[in-house]
Amino acid sequence: GQNIDQPTEMTATEGAIVQINCTYQTSGFNGLFWYQQHAGEAPTFLSYNVLDGLEEKGRFSSFLSRSKGYSYLLLKELQMKDSASYLCAVRDSNYQLIWGAGTKLIIKP
Amino acid sequence: GAVVSQHPSRVICKSGTSVKIECRSLDFQATTMFWYRQFPKQSLMLMATSNEGSKATYEQGVEKDKFLINHASLTLSTLTVTSAHPEDSSFYICSAQNLAGGDTGELFFGEGSRLTVL
Repeated sequence: GQNIDQPTEMTATEGAIVQINCTYQTSGFNGLFWYQQHAGEAPTFLSYNVLDGLEEKGRFSSFLSRSKGYSYLLLKELQMKDSASYLCAVRDSNYQLIWGAGTKLIIKP
Repeated sequence: GAVVSQHPSRVICKSGTSVKIECRSLDFQATTMFWYRQFPKQSLMLMATSNEGSKATYEQGVEKDKFLINHASLTLSTLTVTSAHPEDSSFYICSAQNLAGGDTGELFFGEGSRLTVL
């Protein structure tokens, strides 16, 4: 079966760095996405990786290793507004998006 | 970036009534829209893929007669929850891809509609 694993919850301190991991097992691979979702709101796009390596976008970076079925989202200089759920999603060989359950990130002052 | 608008954002209805949720792509044409449901503290669950001018493709376990999807134009898809019951209370979200300029796979989400069935 297809599976996306990410931690349920993480806690970090304002101003620090946090890494949210995502491992996947899917039938085929056509890209991995990270979305941010604040409570009660729709997800917003953060990043897209289809080739191995690191994609940097401001305070957020996303890394992909296709051979390991692994990705991480790195958030630097954490701000209180970064408190949200972070969803990892993989597009499989049928171009279907498989969603992880999300990681709830709690930022403490 | 592309904008998707969803309406209403919140709706409360009595059990047995039907509720219609609209999803519009405001600045691009969306041949395909996706409808998701999300229960509290759970991930997004794809309900159906809505294709303009054709019947929607429903995921396994989703009742097509209960969740009616209409995609009459390139900018509008509607989800109607028929004969709603309390167990249908959930957060419903639509999304669309803007394929103009190449497919990055990015989904643009509507604001979501929180349905509460009494």
